[in-house]
Amino acid sequence: SSELTQDPAVSVALGQTVRMTCQGDSLRSYYASWYQQKPGQAPVLVLYGRNKRPSGMPDRFSGLSFGNTASLTITGVQAEDEADYYCNSRDTSGNHVVFGGGTKLTV
Amino acid sequence: QVQLQESGPGLVKPSQTLSVTCTVSGGSISSGGFYWNWIRQLPGKGLEWIGYVSSSGNTYYSPSLRSRASISMDTSANQFSLRLRSVTAADTAVYFCAREEIRSETAERPYPWFDPWGQGTLVAVSS
Repeated sequence: SSELTQDPAVSVALGQTVRMTCQGDSLRSYYASWYQQKPGQAPVLVLYGRNKRPSGMPDRFSGLSFGNTASLTITGVQAEDEADYYCNSRDTSGNHVVFGGGTKLTV
Repeated sequence: QVQLQESGPGLVKPSQTLSVTCTVSGGSISSGGFYWNWIRQLPGKGLEWIGYVSSSGNTYYSPSLRSRASISMDTSANQFSLRLRSVTAADTAVYFCAREEIRSETAERPYPWFDPWGQGTLVAVSS
């Protein structure tokens, strides 16, 4: 399978917790990674592997993976977290890259 | 610290070939274990994977673009490039280059990720 499905949009109040999900058959074979993209900017890696954060990424970003679903949770959402979030993985063949359609987070 | 920088023409005429190049600094593109990718974003849309060249020179493409896309690497210049043939207005997009790495740990699924990314270059297709 070559599809990753994300909810198009989610909203959250400042300081609250939000969870975004990503579903796809290939997530049974590969972990998802997550990217934050703000308008006019390149995507930035937020989370990868089994809940790994790149250096400098706040620990309010965390992830879980179970079956064909990966989730990104932001605990204590800040105003600067408003952005589009994309999940990514490889497809079931392992040869092709797949992206989810993105979730627009409104704070 | 590896950095990527795209360069492109800005404007391409319909039916012509779009060419964009990604210059890599801070590391060699022939270092093993990496995949050098092209990803685009149409105006107001999500990320669309185009294809990659591995550090060993293998290429894979999105099925939807395979017939028109070609990715190559120039190890002497530490660059990799995308050529997209027979473009139309529907190919107007910001084109990003990004390095992908895949790792796996004992008894765990492999985990791929993209880092770093270039800042992107806008290519418009118009007469």
